[in-house]
Amino acid sequence: GAVVSQHPSRVICKSGTSVKIECRSLDFQATTMFWYRQFPKQSLMLMATSNEGSKATYEQGVEKDKFLINHASLTLSTLTVTSAHPEDSSFYICSARWQGAGTEAFFGQGTRLTVV
Amino acid sequence: QKEVEQNSGPLSVPEGAIASLNCTYSDRVSQSFFWYRQYSGKSPELIMSIYSNGDKEDGRFTAQLNKASQYVSLLIRDSQPSDSATYLCAVNRVYSGGGADGLTFGKGTHLIIQP
Repeated sequence: GAVVSQHPSRVICKSGTSVKIECRSLDFQATTMFWYRQFPKQSLMLMATSNEGSKATYEQGVEKDKFLINHASLTLSTLTVTSAHPEDSSFYICSARWQGAGTEAFFGQGTRLTVV
Repeated sequence: QKEVEQNSGPLSVPEGAIASLNCTYSDRVSQSFFWYRQYSGKSPELIMSIYSNGDKEDGRFTAQLNKASQYVSLLIRDSQPSDSATYLCAVNRVYSGGGADGLTFGKGTHLIIQP
């Protein structure tokens, strides 16, 4: 099956610093990648959609200058949380799909971000 | 505003019984429907996808879709303790050319299978 690898699985950073999260499709070319965020006891909320080679489309209420998304290749997308604050602490999950795969997307393992 | 509603539970079911999970959605143009299982601290795992009205069976799992009522359900037969998890309902739209929105998730139903 399709495998999506997300790294790191856990990260702790100091307030004010930036953190980069990588999402890789290992055995397929991901034309579209999605980034989600999940706060404790809440559901996954879509943050942004990125298509390879294009600027990401952000959901309402998500600051594009704070959450930088790069999808420069068909196998890699990155999410950079800039100037992180404790309220950014959350579980960040990516998913990826390829054209013609139907509507199913495959999830990475998630990244637990803790900002102290 | 696209919304997906689920009863948060917890839903407690004896081992071996049928667990029934329900979900309603607000966006009438939704075309793809998914059930995910999520264990605490882990990423969601796809259980079932369904695209047409009616039932779809896969092993112990049956998904049911009724687009007129904007309702989708998941039945788990012969429930096992390992089925204890949060079950997330998700929907999205499909566009011509094969593109699709990101998923809109419900808050999930916490299922507990009692041994």
